[in-house]
Amino acid sequence: EPEVTQTPSHQVTQMGQEVILRCVPISNHLYFYWYRQILGQKVEFLVSFYNNEISEKSEIFDDQFSVERPDGSNFTLKIRSTKLEDSAMYFCASSAGTNTGELFFGEGSRLTVL
Amino acid sequence: DQQVKQNSPSLSVQEGRISILNCDYTNSMFDYFLWYKKYPAEGPTFLISISSIKDKNEDGRFTVFLNKSAKHLSLHIVPSQPGDSAVYFCAALLTYNTDKLIFGTGTRLQVFP
Repeated sequence: EPEVTQTPSHQVTQMGQEVILRCVPISNHLYFYWYRQILGQKVEFLVSFYNNEISEKSEIFDDQFSVERPDGSNFTLKIRSTKLEDSAMYFCASSAGTNTGELFFGEGSRLTVL
Repeated sequence: DQQVKQNSPSLSVQEGRISILNCDYTNSMFDYFLWYKKYPAEGPTFLISISSIKDKNEDGRFTVFLNKSAKHLSLHIVPSQPGDSAVYFCAALLTYNTDKLIFGTGTRLQVFP
């Protein structure tokens, strides 16, 4: 069964460092997403991406965040200068179509900022 | 922003009995409601959804009920099995000009033998 894969599974970084989280969405999917879950809180939308551009982003997704699909298979989330409050589980997701809500999520990348 | 609320953080049910998970929402414009299941160290997995024009959707042991007047939905699992033990997230979707899911805080279901 096709699945969304994410790397790394866990990354520990110092505050102020750049972090790149990588995702390989399901191959025939066209819509890509990043969500995050701070420990004990709800899963929150960060950004959606379609046709090589951001289609929507949340208030959380400020100038420190960027996404890219550099090679047609990987979908990356970059945090330019990490803050303590960026510590969370980051989930990549993809879907074949929009407006259904049926997303396929990866297992997540846990980011710990010290 | 508390558009989707799950007021019960946990629920414990005996195997074979019915599990009922509840969710309330505030935005009457939501078009779809979904339930996702999440095991530890895994991402959320889509379970079942319902359109806002329906009041019930059933898929095997899982049934979702929508009460629009009360802005309330529930997920019924019957019979409950130990493998159903997980965190269940309610989510809602507006389809006009957006495709972001708005999640509740989750309910941890434990099914014991």
